[in-house]
Amino acid sequence: DIQMTQSPSSLSASVGDRVTITCRASQSISSYLNWYQHKPGKAPKLLICGASSLQSGVPSRFSGSGSGTDFTLTISSLQPEDFATYYCQQTYSTPTWTFGQGTTVEIK
Amino acid sequence: QVQLQESGPGLVKPSQTLSLTCTVSGGSISSGSYYWSWIRQPAGKGLEWIGRIYTSGTTNYNPSLKSRVTISVDTSKNQFSLKLSSVTAADTAMYYCARDNWGEVGYYFDYWGQGTLVTVSS
Repeated sequence: DIQMTQSPSSLSASVGDRVTITCRASQSISSYLNWYQHKPGKAPKLLICGASSLQSGVPSRFSGSGSGTDFTLTISSLQPEDFATYYCQQTYSTPTWTFGQGTTVEIK
Repeated sequence: QVQLQESGPGLVKPSQTLSLTCTVSGGSISSGSYYWSWIRQPAGKGLEWIGRIYTSGTTNYNPSLKSRVTISVDTSKNQFSLKLSSVTAADTAMYYCARDNWGEVGYYFDYWGQGTLVTVSS
């Protein structure tokens, strides 16, 4: 199985901060990497697919980059509604998808 | 707007079979080239993909759960279902259903249900 490792597991940040979350794959996954936002009691929301393609309706402050084994999700200016847990997911190893363990973004 | 809603018992006894259904609204489960997946999240842990089904009936399962999982589809009811046999406390989790879409950038879950909590306990 391809293992996905996110860092950090949690972070505290203030509104307006630039936030960066990293996801590392145990082997190359090309650009088959998605990012999701998950808030308690709600359905997870797709933010980015293919490492850098922003989903329709997702604010432009979210961006993704990377290929191969190292990927980054960046929130350029953190907003109150962005406090949530973020997961990366690889879809390279069809069809055994795996997720990172999550990064919780908390209010500082 | 596609919506998914999970339903089923919230409490299952150890060694029994967990059964959940996902009802799709806002579109036909048979339209388009989509797979339909189940994903779970134990409390305090990450997301685990369980398996998926195409409307033709083709299935793919997580190898770690394959021996216990059956996913089926009922296109007449616009539903797909999950059965997980011989459950233990380790199967206690929030269970989500999701649409597994595909594009140039690979597969991705573009619609999810809100999830249903299943507790395995006697």
